[in-house]
Amino acid sequence: NAGVMQNPRHLVRRRGQEARLRCSPMKGHSHVYWYRQLPEEGLKFMVYLQKENIIDESGMPKERFSAEFPKEGPSILRIQQVVRGDSAAYFCASSPLVETRNTEAFFGQGTRLTVV
Amino acid sequence: DAKTTQPNSMESNEEEPVHLPCNHSTISGTDYIHWYRQLPSQGPEYVIHGLTSNVNNRMASLAIAEDRKSSTLILHRATLRDAAVYYCIPTNAGGTSYGKLTFGQGTILTVHP
Repeated sequence: NAGVMQNPRHLVRRRGQEARLRCSPMKGHSHVYWYRQLPEEGLKFMVYLQKENIIDESGMPKERFSAEFPKEGPSILRIQQVVRGDSAAYFCASSPLVETRNTEAFFGQGTRLTVV
Repeated sequence: DAKTTQPNSMESNEEEPVHLPCNHSTISGTDYIHWYRQLPSQGPEYVIHGLTSNVNNRMASLAIAEDRKSSTLILHRATLRDAAVYYCIPTNAGGTSYGKLTFGQGTILTVHP
């Protein structure tokens, strides 16, 4: 049973380009979370999605960032017109249940975005 | 969100036990206490969680104070692979906060050979 798969592992974009980060949750998991870790900082929650629904996007920047989790296929975190401050590690996590107080979240290895 | 306080860093020798403390004095009665760790250049990894009773699994033990205002993660025999940042995370009860993990600064554990 493969774990949470994120790709690409490393992504380099020039300022102004778009970045698309993909996350395939573990088999049977229908809840996906995205986190961002800026250099030398802690992990910050960005968005929580279920299939075809955004449940909580309280951590998403208001502009240029969007996320989706379609009925078929991976979850996508999209960053338009990237700036140097977007350089960070982006982690995806999945869980089988919404009741994650009493279960664990499984994280991917992350996508390291570098904006040049 | 419940606030947590952890030491910035701790050191241990290989094969010795390690006790990683966490203070969460504002925890609510229905919050679970989760511990995750992050090895260098990797994603976070679940370690253990509990509510009121002490918990054991193959990775570690979790000792929870009777008043639940603090807990201690115990690694019984540290290995070099245990060098990581350890996060203590109370998980919220209710609504859309389910599943949202609030990471603090954590404790950087260094293990010496």
